[in-house]
Amino acid sequence: GEDVEQSLFLSVREGDSSVINCTYTDSSSTYLYWYKQEPGAGLQLLTYIFSNMDMKQDQRLTVLLNKKDKHLSLRIADTQTGDSAIYFCAESMGGGGNKLTFGTGTQLKVEL
Amino acid sequence: GAVVSQHPSWVICKSGTSVKIECRSLDFQATTMFWYRQFPKQSLMLMATSNEGSKATYEQGVEKDKFLINHASLTLSTLTVTSAHPEDSSFYICSAPRQNSDTQYFGPGTRLTVL
Repeated sequence: GEDVEQSLFLSVREGDSSVINCTYTDSSSTYLYWYKQEPGAGLQLLTYIFSNMDMKQDQRLTVLLNKKDKHLSLRIADTQTGDSAIYFCAESMGGGGNKLTFGTGTQLKVEL
Repeated sequence: GAVVSQHPSWVICKSGTSVKIECRSLDFQATTMFWYRQFPKQSLMLMATSNEGSKATYEQGVEKDKFLINHASLTLSTLTVTSAHPEDSSFYICSAPRQNSDTQYFGPGTRLTVL
C-alpha cells in the first residue's frame, strides 16, 4: 500500500528558510500536495505539483519533486512566526476527485 | 473560493449515544465527499468515500455499521457515529472536490469527545 513519510519536527529562526521533506512509495502518484494545519483547525491547501514537474514556485513557497527518488520538499522562504503549524504532504493518483494519502506530518516551530 | 463547512464544530456525548456530523459544500456541488479521522498528534486517515446516490465506499478496517454515511444531496454528506465509545473520540474532517478541480476543499473539522 501507499506509505508517505515525513520528519516529525523542524525548528527554525524567524527570517530563515524552512525545508520540509516528504518521501512516498507509490510511483503511480500523479498529484502531490502540501497542506498546513493550525491547532484545532482543518487543512489549508498551500500548493501542489503534478508528477511530471520538477519544481513549482508560489511566492514564498518552492516545491521540489524528485520523482526518481520519490522525494518531495517544501521550502518556505523568510519563515515567519505565523508559519508555525503542522505541514502535511499528500499524494493521490488522480485529480481532486481521488482520495488522498497523507504523510505523517511535520511540526514546524518558528522561533524569534 | 470554494468553502466546505462542518457542523457541529465540537461535540461531547455519553458513551453509547449516536452522533451525527454534517459536511456541506457551500458554493458548489459535490458528487463525492471524503471523511477523514485524525487522532491527536497523528496524520489524517481516510475512513470512507461518500457518493451521492449510491453507497459509501469504506476503507479497510472501518466498520460501516458503526460509521454510517449518507450523501443526502449534492451539497450534503453526513457521518453518524453509532453507539459511540471513548475510543471513537477524535477529530473528524470532511473534504469535497469541485468538479474538474485538481484539489479538494477541507472542512474545519469536528472534535468528538465521548465520555
